[in-house]
Amino acid sequence: IAGITQAPTSQILAAGRRMTLRCTQDMRHNAMYWYRQDLGLGLRLIHYSNTAGTTGKGEVPDGYSVSRANTDDFPLTLASAVPSQTSVYFCASSASGGNNEQFFGPGTRLTVL
Amino acid sequence: GQNIDQPTEMTATEGAIVQINCTYQTSGFNGLFWYQQHAGEAPTFLSYNVLDGLEEKGRFSSFLSRSKGYSYLLLKELQMKDSASYLCAALDSNYQLIWGAGTKLIIKP
Repeated sequence: IAGITQAPTSQILAAGRRMTLRCTQDMRHNAMYWYRQDLGLGLRLIHYSNTAGTTGKGEVPDGYSVSRANTDDFPLTLASAVPSQTSVYFCASSASGGNNEQFFGPGTRLTVL
Repeated sequence: GQNIDQPTEMTATEGAIVQINCTYQTSGFNGLFWYQQHAGEAPTFLSYNVLDGLEEKGRFSSFLSRSKGYSYLLLKELQMKDSASYLCAALDSNYQLIWGAGTKLIIKP
């Protein structure tokens, strides 16, 4: 049982390039989330999806887009990367939104130069 | 605005007890989570409180006071493997988690 996986593990990217971070879960969870984690700051929600076919904006959505074509996959796309998007990105899922425990993927460490 | 406050860093001795405090201000409140995060790893769930009082789970306990906007995580019989960051997160009226910056706990032998 894999749980929730992310790819790539790490990436160095030139500014202006397009990048998609992949996230897949096999727990049949309805809700999925993308966070970024920066030193000294709490996890910040970028985008979320309460169920397949729907997405919503979190606290810091600018410069990012997501899609939720099916239950398992929730890719995050940076259309034109900027250095301020250097961060560790975590994908998470939960049985449904709200007060259910969130399960996190291992993270993607992204550096934009 | 919404805010979560917790100490940046704490140090404790192996075998001892430590209490990590968290205060929160959110628009609405639907519960308080604690997660553990080892360096370089993903956060993992520890506890969820929605009612006032203490919830005990093995060596870890979590307390909530809704009237005071306050929670704490109590770790007993500390082990070296408990060295990690502990993240407090409050669920707001939109059922979105507002996260604190985390408390780095250093355990000394």
